[in-house]
Amino acid sequence: AQSVTQLDSHVSVSEGTPVLLRCNYSSSYSPSLFWYVQHPNKGLQLLLKYTSAATLVKGINGFEAEFKKSETSFHLTKPSAHMSDAAEYFCVVSRSGRRALTFGSGTRLQVQP
Amino acid sequence: DSGVTQTPKHLITATGQRVTLRCSPRSGDLSVYWYQQSLDQGLQFLIQYYNGEERAKGNILERFSAQQFPDLHSELNLSSLELGDSALYFCASSVGLAGGPYEQYFGPGTRLTVT
Repeated sequence: AQSVTQLDSHVSVSEGTPVLLRCNYSSSYSPSLFWYVQHPNKGLQLLLKYTSAATLVKGINGFEAEFKKSETSFHLTKPSAHMSDAAEYFCVVSRSGRRALTFGSGTRLQVQP
Repeated sequence: DSGVTQTPKHLITATGQRVTLRCSPRSGDLSVYWYQQSLDQGLQFLIQYYNGEERAKGNILERFSAQQFPDLHSELNLSSLELGDSALYFCASSVGLAGGPYEQYFGPGTRLTVT
């Protein structure tokens, strides 16, 4: 069985400040972990993926995430928020990515000017 | 643009009716997945097809069915529609089953409104 918990339903930051979106996972096997972003009225776009090659994963648009097995966490960070980062972010777990994805409940990121 | 297409973009229908949602995967992708996104249930996996065969089922109601055709496009059929079926339905595709891991690429979704 697998699950993800996104610890914050809403996060608000000021433009130019760091972003931290928290995610904890539970999996009975070595998981594949992903972060997807959904902008209003848009589909889901892959930000980055962890597949056991490296614990620090760099994604698109300056985002990165660190896999910490001891803490079962996969938090998403960005050094400096941009207005265009305002969206819903989903932490996702899968068995190798070729099976069904299990989504977290999402974190809505607001970026204040 | 992910390369996954879905039609129609919006669908408004009445309770008790039947609708068909269509998805074309990215070129070369053999696996198609259907997901439902609603306010109360979040994003949930419905069903997966690989090269025409059903591979996995999630929280899919018996009133719902899907299939994948020889040209790899897929259709999700929703029947006896209820108000609670109103949601955004996403299709995703990925390369295959062997090896991996693979990311899934999502289409823009079909917004279904049942009145």
